[in-house]
Amino acid sequence: ELKVEQNPLFLSMQEGKNYTIYCNYSTTSDRLYWYRQDPGKSLESLFVLLSNGAVKQEGRLMASLDTKARLSTLHITAAVHDLSATYFCAASNTGTASKLTFGTGTRLQVTL
Amino acid sequence: DTGVSQNPRHKITKRGQNVTFRCDPISEHNRLYWYRQTLGQGPEFLTYFQNEAQLEKSRLLSDRFSAERPKGSFSTLEIQRTEQGDSAMYLCASSPSSTYGYTFGSGTRLTVV
Repeated sequence: ELKVEQNPLFLSMQEGKNYTIYCNYSTTSDRLYWYRQDPGKSLESLFVLLSNGAVKQEGRLMASLDTKARLSTLHITAAVHDLSATYFCAASNTGTASKLTFGTGTRLQVTL
Repeated sequence: DTGVSQNPRHKITKRGQNVTFRCDPISEHNRLYWYRQTLGQGPEFLTYFQNEAQLEKSRLLSDRFSAERPKGSFSTLEIQRTEQGDSAMYLCASSPSSTYGYTFGSGTRLTVV
C-alpha cells in the first residue's frame, strides 16, 4: 500500500528566507504531485513530476523528484506572505486507476 | 468551461439523515474521483469512475455511501444515515485519460450535528 509522508507538518518562515518541504513515499510511484490549499478552499495544482530527476519551477517554488530515494522536495526561495497556505504532495500508481495518495500536508506561515 | 463544479458548497444535517452531493466535471474529462478531507489531514480517496463505470471503491466507503455517474457525465455521492464522523469536506476531481492532470472542485463541506 502506497503511503506518503511530509515533513515538517508546520513551518513558520520569515519573509526573504529559503525553506524546503520534504515528501517521502513508500512504494514505487510513477507520478508525484504538489498542490496548494488555502483555508476553506479546494486544491490548486502546482506541479506534476513524471520522471526521476525531474525539476520544475514556477516563481519562488521549485519541485524535484528522486525516484530512487522515493523523495520529492518543494523548495521555497525568498518566501513572501502570499505563499502562506497548506502544501500537499501526492503520489499515484498507474496500476491503481491513477488515484492519488496524499501526505498530511505542510502548513506554511510566512511572517514579516 | 468553468472547471469542476460541486453543489452544495455547505450542508448541515442532523445525524441519521440522508444527504446527496453533486459533482459536474469538466465536460471532456472521462475520469471522475471522490475524495474526503477531514480537518488537518490530506484528502483520502473514496471512489473512481471511468465514464459511467465505477471501477474502484476505497474501504473507507462503507455501505452507507453510494456513488453514481449516470451516462458518464455528472456524479452524485449519497450518504445514508449520516453520523458525526462523516463531517468532512468532500472533494470531486476529474481528469482526461490522456494526461496526468487533475482538476479539483471547490468541495462540499458537510457538518453532521
